[in-house]
Amino acid sequence: DAKTTQPPSMDCAEGRAANLPCNHSTISGNEYVYWYRQIHSQGPQYIIHGLKNNETNEMASLIITEDRKSSTLILPHATLRDTAVYYCIAHAGGTSYGKLTFGQGTILTVHP
Amino acid sequence: GAVVSQHPSRVICKSGTSVKIECRSLDFQATTMFWYRQFPKQSLMLMATSNEGSKATYEQGVEKDKFLINHASLTLSTLTVTSAHPEDSSFYICSACTATNEKLFFGSGTQLSVL
Repeated sequence: DAKTTQPPSMDCAEGRAANLPCNHSTISGNEYVYWYRQIHSQGPQYIIHGLKNNETNEMASLIITEDRKSSTLILPHATLRDTAVYYCIAHAGGTSYGKLTFGQGTILTVHP
Repeated sequence: GAVVSQHPSRVICKSGTSVKIECRSLDFQATTMFWYRQFPKQSLMLMATSNEGSKATYEQGVEKDKFLINHASLTLSTLTVTSAHPEDSSFYICSACTATNEKLFFGSGTQLSVL
């Protein structure tokens, strides 16, 4: 997996958009960008993934720069329950899909 | 959506005893399951890859004789921590995916405390 760099922590006001950046300047052409989050004392939860196009689902949006060297996860209307550690992972998928390399992630704190 | 069930959620045991943790894929067949370990305030570290019907593949530094993994069916993998010691106290998390599914599903984790 390509190395990813994320800020260690971020704050966000409830109801506002949370924009979580991730740098993956050495990402390979066949590596997807995955985002997972982990709420305290729980297993990680899949959020979204993409290769080069922007993606949106019911949880979040993923914006990937044209050169694919960085991306941003957007939670459009953050709630208190979105407080978690967010992990950005660059991974090729396939049969080795589950061998994800988790970094330190970004601790997102959503406050009232 | 797909669900991975992990049991027990919390276990406290005496040093020297063995503990078994179960990981089940409830609504899909998981040909491959993964076991992670997470120490307090640290990130997840992959311990081993469990393939149905074959021996598990362990990551470097993980003792295969201490962490026994069995994946006897397409819906169940077990991790047994043998002769547990206080340094084995950690949060153990399993995950599962299918060959055609790009999403990896995680169990809710097991907090192991060895006294």
